[in-house]
Amino acid sequence: GNSVTQMEGPVTLSEEAFLTINCTYTATGYPSLFWYVQYPGEGLQLLLKATKADDKGSNKGFEATYRKETTSFHLEKGSVQVSDSAVYFCALSDPSGNTGKLIFGQGTTLQVKP
Amino acid sequence: NAGVMQNPRHLVRRRGQEARLRCSPMKGHSHVYWYRQLPEEGLKFMVYLQKENIIDESGMPKERFSAEFPKEGPSILRIQQVVRGDSAAYFCASSPQARGRTDTQYFGPGTRLTVL
Repeated sequence: GNSVTQMEGPVTLSEEAFLTINCTYTATGYPSLFWYVQYPGEGLQLLLKATKADDKGSNKGFEATYRKETTSFHLEKGSVQVSDSAVYFCALSDPSGNTGKLIFGQGTTLQVKP
Repeated sequence: NAGVMQNPRHLVRRRGQEARLRCSPMKGHSHVYWYRQLPEEGLKFMVYLQKENIIDESGMPKERFSAEFPKEGPSILRIQQVVRGDSAAYFCASSPQARGRTDTQYFGPGTRLTVL
């Protein structure tokens, strides 16, 4: 079935370090891919998305490229800030049935220290 | 434009009671999704509704759980005879278009249910 796998956390970085959070997926068909961010005690906010192979989503300095050949959608940021500390979720839209329901990875906690 | 609204934000119930969770989608959105987040886990899809219709309930437990999205008013997720395992954060999301796999879903702040 369709699934998403993220690297386990927590990921702890110093401010201004480079960030990579790995995400790989398994899907039949051609899903759209998303990264959502969840700050403590809050709901999920869309960070970026990509709808087809080789698309690059970007927002607030974060980037991810839809790689069909490696079934990956790794999240990157060149210089993290303390305010980026949150839980990051990779997700795909289930391509079967075309309902748009999302399948999430387990989440990766990012802690950025000053 | 107000975002997705959920209430209550926190709900405490004793085993055997009923829990009702409400979700008001963003203005102009007619598609609602419910997800459940168990502690230390990702979100799991429960149900997808359009106005007055349940489109996909493949993620709903077979018993005690039900959902509706009436013509007027918010979407309701109802859990009867709650058990401790129902303790979780329940998130609602809405989207504007019909069954589009590329559509962005906008999430509410969630309802955190605690069953004593």
